[in-house]
Amino acid sequence: GENVEQHPSTLSVQEGDSAVIKCTYSDSASNYFPWYKQELGKGPQLIIDIRSNVGEKKDQRIAVTLNKTAKHFSLHITETQPEDSAVYFCAASRDTGGFKTIFGAGTRLFVKA
Amino acid sequence: NAGVMQNPRHLVRRRGQEARLRCSPMKGHSHVYWYRQLPEEGLKFMVYLQKENIIDESGMPKERFSAEFPKEGPSILRIQQVVRGDSAAYFCASSFGLAGGTGELFFGEGSRLTVL
Repeated sequence: GENVEQHPSTLSVQEGDSAVIKCTYSDSASNYFPWYKQELGKGPQLIIDIRSNVGEKKDQRIAVTLNKTAKHFSLHITETQPEDSAVYFCAASRDTGGFKTIFGAGTRLFVKA
Repeated sequence: NAGVMQNPRHLVRRRGQEARLRCSPMKGHSHVYWYRQLPEEGLKFMVYLQKENIIDESGMPKERFSAEFPKEGPSILRIQQVVRGDSAAYFCASSFGLAGGTGELFFGEGSRLTVL
């Protein structure tokens, strides 16, 4: 079945450094790749997404890259701040009828002040 | 415009009892998804519903679990004869149309089930 692998499971960085989280997916028909941030005790919230017709997308300090040939995509956070500490999930889906979104196992990011 | 509303936020049940979790999607959303999250783990897809229809229930356990999304009222995830392994956070998400096709999933705050 469909699967999304995410690495690392835990990431600790100093404030101001960059953080990179990588994901691979198995369903070659996937064409929509969102990233969600989950803070303690809350539901996940979308922070950025990318579609398969685009290789890179940037929004202020966060950027995503997609390599459809290799079936992997990455999240890059620059100039990390303590409030970036959270669990980050990558996901993959299709924009055809009635398809579920499959999530990676999550990366717990700690930003040390 | 209220977000996705889930209740109860916390539920404690004894083994063998039933748990009912409710989810009201965002206004205008007709697609509902249920995910289960075990402690320190990711989000596992359970079921995807539209009004009065189950679209994909490939992630639902074959026994004891059921879900519905009636024409009127919230979506309900029902767990019969709960066991300790059912203890988890259950998240509901909604979307306007097709996930991926029209954009993001909007998640509720989750319902945390504890089975004693």
